[in-house]
Amino acid sequence: EAGVAQSPRYKIIEKRQSVAFWCNPISGHATLYWYQQILGQGPKLLIQFQNNGVVDDSQLPKDRFSAERLKGVDSTLKIQPAKLEDSAVYLCASSLFPRRGTWGEQFFGPGTRLTVL
Amino acid sequence: AQTVTQSQPEMSVQEAETVTLSCTYDTSENNYYLFWYKQPPSRQMILVIRQEAYKQQNATENRFSVNFQKAAKSFSLKISDSQLGDTAMYFCAFMKQSGAGSYQLTFGKGTKLSVIP
Repeated sequence: EAGVAQSPRYKIIEKRQSVAFWCNPISGHATLYWYQQILGQGPKLLIQFQNNGVVDDSQLPKDRFSAERLKGVDSTLKIQPAKLEDSAVYLCASSLFPRRGTWGEQFFGPGTRLTVL
Repeated sequence: AQTVTQSQPEMSVQEAETVTLSCTYDTSENNYYLFWYKQPPSRQMILVIRQEAYKQQNATENRFSVNFQKAAKSFSLKISDSQLGDTAMYFCAFMKQSGAGSYQLTFGKGTKLSVIP
């Protein structure tokens, strides 16, 4: 079974430029997550999708970050314009549909390391 | 809001020895899940072990076991017979359902474990 795919693996941009990350979840996984992992910290959830709808985007800086999941499969995360503090690893994860009383194991992709100069 | 604290930024252990990583958390919830994730230098986050809060029995997975103390809000990970491949960042994480199907993982800052030959 193929895992969560992300691209690119590395990206270097100047501040105020735009950047986009792509994620392809595990086939059949209805739930998709984007996390930001700043160096020396644990991942922080940015946004959670259920199929193509947003479930939780409370920690997404909406003035510069946007995300979409068209057709409930692939997802893109965009930053426009980027700031120095956006330098981080952006992790995508997916899980089966979590139901009350159960838990949905999240499977993580390899991440995209973003450096903003 | 939930918080997860890992008080040991770095630890080392001799190969074949046993090591314990500490984690404490703060929540007012009664039903939740706790996890330990491993993140090797390649950055792919992998689930090591999980614990349901309603279960009194400590979870075990081969060489990995936890000591779950619900009243003390403590969740430590014990790695027995440490192997070189155990070298990685280890993250403690908390999860509960928070409205509208959101299953947010809250991570600690991680413990960097080095297994020494």
